[in-house]
Amino acid sequence: QQQVKQSPQSLIVQKGGISIINCAYENTAFDYFPWYQQFPGKGPALLIAIRPDVSEKKEGRFTISFNKSAKQFSLHIMDSQPGDSATYFCAASMSNNQGGKLIFGQGTELSVKP
Amino acid sequence: DGGITQSPKYLFRKEGQNVTLSCEQNLNHDAMYWYRQDPGQGLRLIYYSQIVNDFQKGDIAEGYSVSREKKESFPLTVTSAQKNPTAFYLCASRAPPNTQYFGPGTRLTVL
Repeated sequence: QQQVKQSPQSLIVQKGGISIINCAYENTAFDYFPWYQQFPGKGPALLIAIRPDVSEKKEGRFTISFNKSAKQFSLHIMDSQPGDSATYFCAASMSNNQGGKLIFGQGTELSVKP
Repeated sequence: DGGITQSPKYLFRKEGQNVTLSCEQNLNHDAMYWYRQDPGQGLRLIYYSQIVNDFQKGDIAEGYSVSREKKESFPLTVTSAQKNPTAFYLCASRAPPNTQYFGPGTRLTVL
């Protein structure tokens, strides 16, 4: 119930293409869903986050789509660039409970080919 | 410059040795966290602290210890009881209610 499942494990996209990473969760008490971007040897950086009261959030080329009934959410990277090549993690947490712990997916290694 | 600092960047440990990883933040956040990252895996929670002088075990606390004597500092000790300590260790602090910000990490290698 505490797991977040992320797919695919790795993804190769051509420059200019759309990268799509999917996550699924079981615990309906989760109410905060962030995405993190991590470059090799660096700490994860918050990319974008969503709460279940909205179905979509867009920030520049990055969009989160959220499907509450299916308990799924996804990250779309439009016009993917070689500089987007990194590992992406989805996560989930519960506000006001369990110390704000984040439950992370396994990560997706994205490679954008020029 | 606001943020989270971790030191050292690289750390080498001999068998049977305890080592301490430093984490400092100047963001005035109450909550702080330690995660472990292994290749090809997500981040796993070791310990977290919601307030000074209080901390709770995460999912993989065995072989680790922490202290929280100051709001700004949350050091992690990897003890000799941790049988497989080679990993990338990440510290984070949380801006209410949910947003966690990460430090640059410490890579620990057992010799």
